[in-house]
Amino acid sequence: SQKIEQNSEALNIQEGKTATLTCNYTNYSPAYLQWYRQDPGRGPVFLLLIRENEKEKRKERLKVTFDTTLKQSLFHITASQPADSATYLCALALSDSWGKLQFGAGTQVVVTP
Amino acid sequence: GAVVSQHPSRVICKSGTSVKIECRSLDFQATTMFWYRQFPKQSLMLMATSNEGSKATYEQGVEKDKFLINHASLTLSTLTVTSAHPEDSSFYICSADKAGAGSTEAFFGQGTRLTVV
Repeated sequence: SQKIEQNSEALNIQEGKTATLTCNYTNYSPAYLQWYRQDPGRGPVFLLLIRENEKEKRKERLKVTFDTTLKQSLFHITASQPADSATYLCALALSDSWGKLQFGAGTQVVVTP
Repeated sequence: GAVVSQHPSRVICKSGTSVKIECRSLDFQATTMFWYRQFPKQSLMLMATSNEGSKATYEQGVEKDKFLINHASLTLSTLTVTSAHPEDSSFYICSADKAGAGSTEAFFGQGTRLTVV
């Protein structure tokens, strides 16, 4: 069966450092992979999408890599700030529809001043 | 960006009653909306795909007679939890696809916290 795995342990990081999150998947051949941010009691907010033919994508302080051979995506938050504290979810499409997604359980990031 | 609004944000109901949750796309048309459920510390699980003007498609293990979905217009989908039980208590989240090509992200509502007592 299809599976998406993210580190279940919270990532505690000092302000200014780079946070690196991992997303591994099995039994998928995704055309693209997405990353979302979720705050407590709120719906997910889209951050980045990376396609299978892209190795790396950046948006401001965020960077995503996608290795289809390893079946892995890495998500980096550089120069982290306390406001970056949240749970970060990776997601793969279940079909050709952008919105029909299977999510990982998410990794909580806590950035301390 | 596009805005998806859910209502209510929180609801408490008694066992055996029904609860309706609304999902609206405020500034775009959505031929397809999706309903997810999230238990504490767990991932979002897709429950069903809501299609405007046709029947919803449910994921395996989701009871269609318990979770009624209606997508009567291009901007509104509703999820009704019928004969609610305490185990239905969860965080319900909808998302919407923009109609037409070009959209590369899903737009999520803010979620509805359902507590069944």
